[in-house]
Amino acid sequence: KAGVTQTPRYLIKTRGQQVTLSCSPISGHRSVSWYQQTPGQGLQFLFEYFSETQRNKGNFPGRFSGRQFSNSRSEMNVSTLELGDSALYLCASSFKYANTEAFFGQGTRLTVV
Amino acid sequence: GQQVMQIPQYQHVQEGEDFTTYCNSSTTLSNIQWYKQRPGGHPVFLIQLVKSGEVKKQKRLTFQFGEAKKNSSLHITATQTTDVGTYFCAGGPEYNNDMRFGAGTRLTVKP
Repeated sequence: KAGVTQTPRYLIKTRGQQVTLSCSPISGHRSVSWYQQTPGQGLQFLFEYFSETQRNKGNFPGRFSGRQFSNSRSEMNVSTLELGDSALYLCASSFKYANTEAFFGQGTRLTVV
Repeated sequence: GQQVMQIPQYQHVQEGEDFTTYCNSSTTLSNIQWYKQRPGGHPVFLIQLVKSGEVKKQKRLTFQFGEAKKNSSLHITATQTTDVGTYFCAGGPEYNNDMRFGAGTRLTVKP
């Protein structure tokens, strides 16, 4: 079966702009989690969505937001980009619960200049 | 809040040597999972441990979950160059669906 698909794979944005990243989970998976990965901070949890509702949220500012659609596809948005937002953004899908086997997408590499 | 600590941050071994990474949580975990991320890749699920004191093996990899469900370890016997990558543990508290990742242990293997 198809894996988790994230688009785009690479993005370059300017400070102050906003960006939207997309994640299509594995068919049948309803839980989608987002992570920010940077060399110094490891994998930082952003939020988790299940059945179009945000079920958990990490310690990120309100500039980071997300949503999930009825087909379980999810988007995350970062507004007013800062240089420190440069990172690999990973999406992971799980069947039902975020704390079970998670399947990761290839990630979106965001560079803010 | 819940924290998952992982040590060491880096480990460099000679091929054939053993390797161990340790994971500790400040709270009791509902389960622990281990992932491997190859350089330039994304995390890939290795295993999940659920029971207190559980031990599971996958070929040269041995995973343990502590009796108190607050710590875990991954041991690789006789490392190979294909073992190179960053190994992450991840776990969540028993009272909710949350999951947090450790910082990872980056393993390099010298042939």
